[in-house]
Amino acid sequence: DAKTTQPNSMESNEEEPVHLPCNHSTISGTDYIHWYRQLPSQGPEYVIHGLTSNVNNRMASLAIAEDRKSSTLILHRATLRDAAVYYCVLRRDSGGSNYKLTFGKGTLLTVNP
Amino acid sequence: DGGITQSPKYLFRKEGQNVTLSCEQNLNHDAMYWYRQDPGQGLRLIYYSQIVNDFQKGDIAEGYSVSREKKESFPLTVTSAQKNPTAFYLCASRGQGDYGYTFGSGTRLTVV
Repeated sequence: DAKTTQPNSMESNEEEPVHLPCNHSTISGTDYIHWYRQLPSQGPEYVIHGLTSNVNNRMASLAIAEDRKSSTLILHRATLRDAAVYYCVLRRDSGGSNYKLTFGKGTLLTVNP
Repeated sequence: DGGITQSPKYLFRKEGQNVTLSCEQNLNHDAMYWYRQDPGQGLRLIYYSQIVNDFQKGDIAEGYSVSREKKESFPLTVTSAQKNPTAFYLCASRGQGDYGYTFGSGTRLTVV
């Protein structure tokens, strides 16, 4: 499976934008980029995903580099509830519905009031 | 509300005993997954099932067993062969055509 590299931790201030980077230099053409976040003692929560184009939803934006070797999850205005571990995950689409995700250690985001 | 229920939330086991973790979903999802998480670490895949009566080993299946007799249920048994079973166990599911996983709230297993 292709691997992702994320910083161990990042810090932000409340109501400021946060840019969480992810490197995936071995990504293949059929790999989707997924982001999940995990609050303490809870299961991860799906945030967003994309293939080539930038994506926006109510939770966040995903900016994908033109060569697809890196991506950035953008939280436009961080709140205290956004403090969590954020995982960047690659999903290989083999053409069917069978796939599994491999999670790394993620980035621990701390939001200061 | 639809979702995934994992029970119990906390589980204590004596060394040498088998224990079964429950995972039930009412989302009508075909695929289900079990992950293990150790403190400060990411999630590691134990077993997954894409359809009833079929399942595959993940990256760390040794010492674990599963069954998938019903679409809604995917129990995980931690056997005495698992050398270090103390961990946070997470169950997830995914519907046909869905891109994201839905996770349960986890079971924290402690061997005493």
